[in-house]
Amino acid sequence: NAGVMQNPRHLVRRRGQEARLRCSPMKGHSHVYWYRQLPEEGLKFMVYLQKENIIDESGMPKERFSAEFPKEGPSILRIQQVVRGDSAAYFCASSPDAAYEQYFGPGTRLTVT
Amino acid sequence: LAKTTQPISMDSYEGQEVNITCSHNNIATNDYITWYQQFPSQGPRFIIQGYKTKVTNEVASLFIPADRKSSTLSLPRVSLSDTAVYYCLVGPNTYNTDKLIFGTGTRLQVFP
Repeated sequence: NAGVMQNPRHLVRRRGQEARLRCSPMKGHSHVYWYRQLPEEGLKFMVYLQKENIIDESGMPKERFSAEFPKEGPSILRIQQVVRGDSAAYFCASSPDAAYEQYFGPGTRLTVT
Repeated sequence: LAKTTQPISMDSYEGQEVNITCSHNNIATNDYITWYQQFPSQGPRFIIQGYKTKVTNEVASLFIPADRKSSTLSLPRVSLSDTAVYYCLVGPNTYNTDKLIFGTGTRLQVFP
């Protein structure tokens, strides 16, 4: 059973461009979470999704950020018009239910130049 | 809002037992205590979860006193590969996203 997969692992974008981060949860997992981590800091919750539904996006900035988890395909975290402050590691996690045992992917490191 | 407090860092030597304590004075009746481990440049990894008393698995033990206001993660005979950041989370389930707080964790450094 493959673990949580994220791609790309590294992404470089210029200011103003769009960044698309993809996450494929573990097989059988219908709960997906996105977190952001700045250097030397803990993970910050961004958004919680189940198939085709956003359960909670309270941790996600209201502008430029969006997330989806379609019926088919990976979950996507989309950042429009990136700014330097968006540079961070973005982690995706999945779980089979709403318990706290989440399985994390390797992360996508976004660098905005 | 449940808040946890952990030491910022700890040092140990190979072969020693390491105990990391997490304080959670405002833990709710239906909250579980969950610990994660994170290596540099990797996502966190679930270690152990408990509700009360003691839980043990192949990696660690979790001790929770009767009042549940704290918990202690115990790593037996640590090795260099246990050098990582350890996070304590307290919450009932992920629908309570306000409790999905990883904080800054405890940075454990194991020396040879």
